[in-house]
Amino acid sequence: DQQVKQNSPSLSVQEGRISILNCDYTNSMFDYFLWYKKYPAEGPTFLISISSIKDKNEDGRFTVFLNKSAKHLSLHIVPSQPGDSAVYFCAASARFSGETSGSRLTFGEGTQLTVNP
Amino acid sequence: NAGVTQTPKFRILKIGQSMTLQCTQDMNHNYMYWYRQDPGMGLKLIYYSVGAGITDKGEVPNGYNVSRSTTEDFPLRLELAAPSQTSVYFCASSPGGAQYFGPGTRLTVT
Repeated sequence: DQQVKQNSPSLSVQEGRISILNCDYTNSMFDYFLWYKKYPAEGPTFLISISSIKDKNEDGRFTVFLNKSAKHLSLHIVPSQPGDSAVYFCAASARFSGETSGSRLTFGEGTQLTVNP
Repeated sequence: NAGVTQTPKFRILKIGQSMTLQCTQDMNHNYMYWYRQDPGMGLKLIYYSVGAGITDKGEVPNGYNVSRSTTEDFPLRLELAAPSQTSVYFCASSPGGAQYFGPGTRLTVT
């Protein structure tokens, strides 16, 4: 039962253009969503998050959009840079459920982003 | 502030051997986690802890054990290693919300 799904294993964009990475989830209890970036041979690095009371959160070149009715979130990177080439994971939790298990994250399979110079 | 540190970085085990993967964080986070990542897959939660003395199973706990005697340390024990445990293991800590990951341990069981 894959509760968080990233349907695109890879994405290739030109430097300077927009990168859009997508993520779908099935568990309606999820109320907190995160994006992580991972370079080879390193641990994942936290990028940006959004709680279910918002539909957009922006941090510099990175914006996360949440569509609760569609159970869909996306990460926009504008403009894309070659250093953004990495695997991007979306993750979700039931953080505000009040249970200690709400601290757990469920991860998608990841999308390999390649930004070409 | 070193963040989350993991040792060793690499290890090769023979089937049936045991080992402990070490994880330490210096951010005074209550929550700590162990994940494994297999090729082409996302991270799967093995065990987690919400504070010293409290641990709970994640999605894939079989073949592993943990303990949390201090806030800083969260070691993962593999007993009777099997080839299916070949993976990259990540430890993470969190104050609540975002989790912060260590660099990983690449384990091969042959």
